[in-house]
Amino acid sequence: DIVMTQSPLSLPVTLGQPASISCRSSHDLVFSDGNIYLNWFHQRPGQSPRRLVYKISNRDSGVPDRFSGSGSGTDFTLKISRVEAEDVGVYFCMQGSHWPPTFGQGTRVEI
Amino acid sequence: EVQLVESGGGLVQPGRSLRLSCAASGFTFSNYDMTWVRRRAPGKGLEWVANINPAGSDMYYVDSVKGRFTISRDNAKNLLYLQMNSLRAEDTAVYFCARDPRLPDVWGQGTTVTVSS
Repeated sequence: DIVMTQSPLSLPVTLGQPASISCRSSHDLVFSDGNIYLNWFHQRPGQSPRRLVYKISNRDSGVPDRFSGSGSGTDFTLKISRVEAEDVGVYFCMQGSHWPPTFGQGTRVEI
Repeated sequence: EVQLVESGGGLVQPGRSLRLSCAASGFTFSNYDMTWVRRRAPGKGLEWVANINPAGSDMYYVDSVKGRFTISRDNAKNLLYLQMNSLRAEDTAVYFCARDPRLPDVWGQGTTVTVSS
């Protein structure tokens, strides 16, 4: 199975400052259709995950533009340009290119 | 509104069975692969459990549940199921249903399964 390794696992942030989370896969994530199914999610306690970014860098509808995804090959990054209070919670990456889909351990963001 | 709502979780003894349901609304359910994902402990990572294609003819499972869990769907009723047999303590988790296993964009709120004597 593809192993998704996130860092850091805990990220103290300051309101208004940038933040960055890294996700590294154990194998190249190019699917046979040429796409890379690398997604980023945000989850608050007691809530279901919310997808923020899909296929590396495509922001979902309604997601603030302070969130951006980038990367290629086996290294991917989620960046928050200016952290707001509502951004606290756990962020995790997920690959859907190879079966079975696998998830990173999660990064806890705290103000 | 696009929505998934799980039900059927609860406390069950080891070796017993439980069936989870996931009710879909707001989209054409029969057009999508559907999946079950679980989180075994608070703060722990998510684990993909099973997947089913739109027609309900192809199913895939994580190795740890093969032979014990069965994913199925009723497209006429917009329902997704997970039949869980021979439950073990390590199956204790919050179970989520989600749309599209490669790009899961819609998730339910989760239902908690606790396997304990």
